[in-house]
Amino acid sequence: KNEVEQSPQNLTAQEGEFITINCSYSVGISALHWLQQHPGGGIVSLFMLSSGKKKHGRLIATINIQEKHSSLHITASHPRDSAVYICAARPLEYGNKLVFGAGTILRVKS
Amino acid sequence: KAGVTQTPRYLIKTRGQQVTLSCSPISGHRSVSWYQQTPGQGLQFLFEYFSETQRNKGNFPGRFSGRQFSNSRSEMNVSTLELGDSALYLCASSGGTGGVYEQYFGPGTRLTVT
Repeated sequence: KNEVEQSPQNLTAQEGEFITINCSYSVGISALHWLQQHPGGGIVSLFMLSSGKKKHGRLIATINIQEKHSSLHITASHPRDSAVYICAARPLEYGNKLVFGAGTILRVKS
Repeated sequence: KAGVTQTPRYLIKTRGQQVTLSCSPISGHRSVSWYQQTPGQGLQFLFEYFSETQRNKGNFPGRFSGRQFSNSRSEMNVSTLELGDSALYLCASSGGTGGVYEQYFGPGTRLTVT
C-alpha cells in the first residue's frame, strides 16, 4: 500500500462544476502539499497545509490531521483548470522530503 | 526574485554514459531537493541537500549521486545510464533553516536514454 493515496485517478467535469480530489496518507506528517502540473512538466505548488483550511481564488484545500485525509476543491471549474493535481506528504523528521500520490488527471470541458 | 532554474532542459544520452544535471535555487534558499518522474513510478524523491550536506536520501541505487556547492547550486549525477533512467528530473528549493517551508519547483530536465 502506498503511503499516499489519491482519488480519483481521472476526472472529467463540465465547465462550472464543483470538483473534489481526495488524498489519504498513512504516515505522520509535518505538512501536506497540493501541486499542479500542466503538460510539459512544470509543477506549481498550490497549497501547503498543516491544519485546517486554505483558500486561494476558486481553490480550497482542507486537511483533517486525525483522519489523515486532505481534499482539494475547485469551485466553478474552468477548462484552464485542466491539469494533473498531485498531493504530497512531508513525513515528520525527514526535512523537505516529499512522498507523492499518483496524481489526478483533471479535464474540464467547455 | 528569479525562480528555480535547471539546465539543461532536454538531454539525450546513450546507455552506459553518465550525465550531470544542474539546479540553481531561488536566491537565499539553502535546501535543494531532487525528484524523478516517470510514467510508471510517478514522482519519487531522490535526495535533499542543505548547506552542502545531504540531509535525506530516497531509495535509488548508488549510480545516482548529488552535491551542493557553497552558493547552494546543486548538481546530480547519474552514472552508467540505463534505459529506465529516462525521466523528467525536477529540483525544488526551499528557504528557512527549521520548520516547514514551501518548496518551489524548477521546470525540470527531460532525460532520454537510448
